Amino acid sequence: QQQVKQSPQSLIVQKGGISIINCAYENTAFDYFPWYQQFPGKGPALLIAIRPDVSEKKEGRFTISFNKSAKQFSLHIMDSQPGDSATYFCAASLEHRDDKIIFGKGTRLHILP
Amino acid sequence: DAGVTQSPTHLIKTRGQQVTLRCSPKSGHDTVSWYQQALGQGPQFIFQYYEEEERQRGNFPDRFSGHQFPNYSSELNVNALLLGDSALYLCASRPGTGVIRTQYFGPGTRLLVL
Repeated sequence: QQQVKQSPQSLIVQKGGISIINCAYENTAFDYFPWYQQFPGKGPALLIAIRPDVSEKKEGRFTISFNKSAKQFSLHIMDSQPGDSATYFCAASLEHRDDKIIFGKGTRLHILP
Repeated sequence: DAGVTQSPTHLIKTRGQQVTLRCSPKSGHDTVSWYQQALGQGPQFIFQYYEEEERQRGNFPDRFSGHQFPNYSSELNVNALLLGDSALYLCASRPGTGVIRTQYFGPGTRLLVL
């Protein structure tokens, strides 16, 4: 049973454009929603995270939008750059209970120069 | 300050063999988790160690076992290797206490089972 569903599987965006990746979750007990960025040959690195009491969080060019009632959240990358080309994973955890991270299947993002 | 380190970086084994992977957590971290990342998939939680004990376990068979040492480093052991065990094995560490519980991942060990 996949608890975090991520789409699209791959995404191509022009430099300067907006990249949008969507995720949906099933377990309403999740209380922490991080996004990870992974470059080839590297481990995942935390990009930005949000908790369900907030509807939006922005850090630089990266914004998470969170819709608790729809059990959906999304990552927006503004002014996308070639250096943003990587695989992005949405995730969820029960941080205050057991904090194991449940990952989506990932989105391969390619920014065209 | 060194981050999470893992060894070896790559490993090739044959079916039925046993393998041991190693992880040194980030300085100041005492909790270590292991994840398996199959090609094209997101990481899947295997188990977590804190105070030298397994605290949580994901949906993995008993062929997967681990250990944590007094210096907080950890090992992942896989017995009776199957072709399906081929994957990137990631170690993540975080502080055991405190408000900030961000998990930091190492670069992983890529295991190929032939």
